[in-house]
Amino acid sequence: DVKVTQSSRYLVKRTGEKVFLECVQDMDHENMFWYRQDPGLGLRLIYFSYDVKMKEKGDIPEGYSVSREKKERFSLILESASTNQTSMYLCASTLSPRETYEQYFGPGTRLTVT
Amino acid sequence: AQKITQTQPGMFVQEKEAVTLDCTYDTSDPSYGLFWYKQPSSGEMIFLIYQGSYDQQNATEGRYSLNFQKARKSANLVISASQLGDSAMYFCAMRPNNAGNMLTFGGGTRLMVKP
Repeated sequence: DVKVTQSSRYLVKRTGEKVFLECVQDMDHENMFWYRQDPGLGLRLIYFSYDVKMKEKGDIPEGYSVSREKKERFSLILESASTNQTSMYLCASTLSPRETYEQYFGPGTRLTVT
Repeated sequence: AQKITQTQPGMFVQEKEAVTLDCTYDTSDPSYGLFWYKQPSSGEMIFLIYQGSYDQQNATEGRYSLNFQKARKSANLVISASQLGDSAMYFCAMRPNNAGNMLTFGGGTRLMVKP
């Protein structure tokens, strides 16, 4: 079974703090993704990576950066957390860009910025 | 750009009855894939079913089927014989085949199954 894990289920941070969200997958997947989920807006793509050290902006990259130093790990970084970044963050991975490959998701991290 | 619309923010269904969750999409790409995911209260996203834009038949996976109407750009999820465990958020998503693995999600529908 594919397993995607995220470092925390719940996180509370203060405005201005630097925040790291970690995601690890154990199936040697090439592609990894970070989404944020807000009520009524579904999931919106922040960044994705198709290889080590490669990254691409998604739909809402502002205020975020990412790091992929190893194939299995994809980190989302909030350089200076703000209250409007309070959200659920979901990491996903998939094997390769073939149309039928679904994305496998981690359990999510609910981040609250106060 | 792609857009996915789920017009039902919340729905109730009686246990053992069938329910249809609506999804319409907008894309100019000729080739694409459509996905449905389930998200229980625990938070994880569970892949349910996939439909390719050139598939001749509607996809089915157990109690899930996808009513794909290409001309109408709709990809409704049908759940037969609803169970209490089907209570969850359901998301429709689309990926053009020339967009790598980038999925665009709809806003979701919360399904509540009544005993």
